[in-house]
Amino acid sequence: ELKVEQNPLFLSMQEGKNYTIYCNYSTTSDRLYWYRQDPGKSLESLFVLLSNGAVKQEGRLMASLDTKARLSTLHITAAVHDLSATYFCAGRDSGYALNFGKGTSLLVTP
Amino acid sequence: DSGVTQTPKHLITATGQRVTLRCSPRSGDLSVYWYQQSLDQGLQFLIQYYNGEERAKGNILERFSAQQFPDLHSELNLSSLELGDSALYFCASSEQLAQGEQFFGPGTRLTVL
Repeated sequence: ELKVEQNPLFLSMQEGKNYTIYCNYSTTSDRLYWYRQDPGKSLESLFVLLSNGAVKQEGRLMASLDTKARLSTLHITAAVHDLSATYFCAGRDSGYALNFGKGTSLLVTP
Repeated sequence: DSGVTQTPKHLITATGQRVTLRCSPRSGDLSVYWYQQSLDQGLQFLIQYYNGEERAKGNILERFSAQQFPDLHSELNLSSLELGDSALYFCASSEQLAQGEQFFGPGTRLTVL
């Protein structure tokens, strides 16, 4: 069974700083997803990473995938308050369902 | 807005009752997934349907069942409800079985009193 672990689970950072969220997964996953969730809201798709070495960037967020290390990272550059949310990574098992990590609650403070 | 709709938005009911949650996928999407999000268990996959047929089951209790209808909307039925069933239930859809990303609906918040 595919298991996904994220760290850290809680992250408080100052505006303007950089930080990285890590996502490790236990077995082969043919793709890796990153989602954002605001409190009480749905999940918003951020990135889908399909292959080893894939890197995608959107604004202040950049995601990468290393399938050999079974590791994906979500890098936050020059954080702003609007990025405060919970970020989930998810792998996809052979049945196409998503296995989610526990999420990283990010709080960006002035 | 992902294009996936779910009703109702909120549901409050009592233990032992039965409820039905409804999901309409994005236009053209054939695959529907149900997920449960709770503080204890996090986000868990429950069940998947593709073009009317059940394709995969996750951590779905026997008290729960689902179906996908010919018009591709799906319903999740929860019976003999317990306090621990209180959670946010999401439906997601994707275009094909293997391809593409999953788009999530707004969710149904179920509270069992």
